[in-house]
Amino acid sequence: DSGVTQTPKHLITATGQRVTLRCSPRSGDLSVYWYQQSLDQGLQFLIQYYNGEERAKGNILERFSAQQFPDLHSELNLSSLELGDSALYFCASTPAPVGYTSTDTQYFGPGTRLTVL
Amino acid sequence: AQSVTQLDSQVPVFEEAPVELRCNYSSSVSVYLFWYVQYPNQGLQLLLKYLSGSTLVKGINGFEAEFNKSQTSFHLRKPSVHISDTAEYFCAVTPGVSGGYNKLIFGAGTRLAVHP
Repeated sequence: DSGVTQTPKHLITATGQRVTLRCSPRSGDLSVYWYQQSLDQGLQFLIQYYNGEERAKGNILERFSAQQFPDLHSELNLSSLELGDSALYFCASTPAPVGYTSTDTQYFGPGTRLTVL
Repeated sequence: AQSVTQLDSQVPVFEEAPVELRCNYSSSVSVYLFWYVQYPNQGLQLLLKYLSGSTLVKGINGFEAEFNKSQTSFHLRKPSVHISDTAEYFCAVTPGVSGGYNKLIFGAGTRLAVHP
């Protein structure tokens, strides 16, 4: 158990719909990362938040957005869903305060499997 | 920009045999290197990481990896595998720069299948 929790575990929805994925980082971790794992794209970095602020963006679609709340949990919002958005979405966390080097281990949650029908 | 190539998509091996999973990376800046394992229906777990110093890195579950800067490789090895090592293994890099912007760039993964 990494200490990172994600809900829900599974989500089945229809095209055009909007869903919200939730992540609670390890106790004390300030940075949260979102990754997408799909069959055709592999594991791809989406976005990073540090202490409530967006810090880095990867291959995240405009239909997707995220935020990190004062209690440090994060939500990934996916809208206007398409069949190709079906994937496993992982959240990871590190203590990593800004200014530290990128040596911290990222601890991954169990993921949310999204199926778009 | 950085990229990671895992040269084998699948590696079948018999139990108690040695195994090597190959990883090459490309980067114009220094990088830190990681190997993660993903067991079926689970998240990713760190096996080991190379930050600096000795090029031979030992990790959990008897795995080790060797960083070779001239060949830009970071191959993962285990001298004797078990059935329980059956999983997907991911090599990853992150740019070695400060700022906490340590997004991981993953390879495509290697599926290790250990047979009795």
